[in-house]
Amino acid sequence: GENVEQHPSTLSVQEGDSAVIKCTYSDSASNYFPWYKQELGKRPQLIIDIRSNVGEKKDQRIAVTLNKTAKHFSLHITETQPEDSAVYFCAVGWGKFQFGAGTQVVVTP
Amino acid sequence: DTAVSQTPKYLVTQMGNDKSIKCEQNLGHDTMYWYKQDSKKFLKIMFSYNNKELIINETVPNRFSPKSPDKAHLNLHINSLELGDSAVYFCASSIGRMSNQPQHFGDGTRLSIL
Repeated sequence: GENVEQHPSTLSVQEGDSAVIKCTYSDSASNYFPWYKQELGKRPQLIIDIRSNVGEKKDQRIAVTLNKTAKHFSLHITETQPEDSAVYFCAVGWGKFQFGAGTQVVVTP
Repeated sequence: DTAVSQTPKYLVTQMGNDKSIKCEQNLGHDTMYWYKQDSKKFLKIMFSYNNKELIINETVPNRFSPKSPDKAHLNLHINSLELGDSAVYFCASSIGRMSNQPQHFGDGTRLSIL
């Protein structure tokens, strides 16, 4: 089955700096790569996604890059703000949805 | 007009009891899911239904029984609750059974077993 690894498990950044989270996957047939943000006590919410025919996608301060050859994709958050503090999950669409283990991001003012 | 709504939001009960969680989506989606999120935040899929038909059953103990009366509803009944069942249970839905569509989550049900 698909194996999704997400790193780092925790990430502490100064406000204004950039944050990068990386996920690797094992099945080359996977074709959908979403990122979810979960604030404390809330539901996971889709923040950005990318499909296998695209290498990069941007939405304001967040971007996702996909390297299909190396089987990894990354979430980039620029100019971080305290409200970016949350747990971020990558997921891989393959046969079934497989989530990464999550990254706790803490943005300190 | 919440898209995916689940009730109750909190459930506190004793070991050995039976309880149910209800989920409804008004997005017109065909596929619905139940996830369990443990204390380490890991999101683990339990079940998936497509248009009332069970399509994923992830080696969940048979104390857990999902029921989908129609494609807009997916309920979860749990028998003989155990301490290890304490978690947040999320319902989700997506347009179709293909895993290349975003999933929309409910607000979760926090289950605490005493």
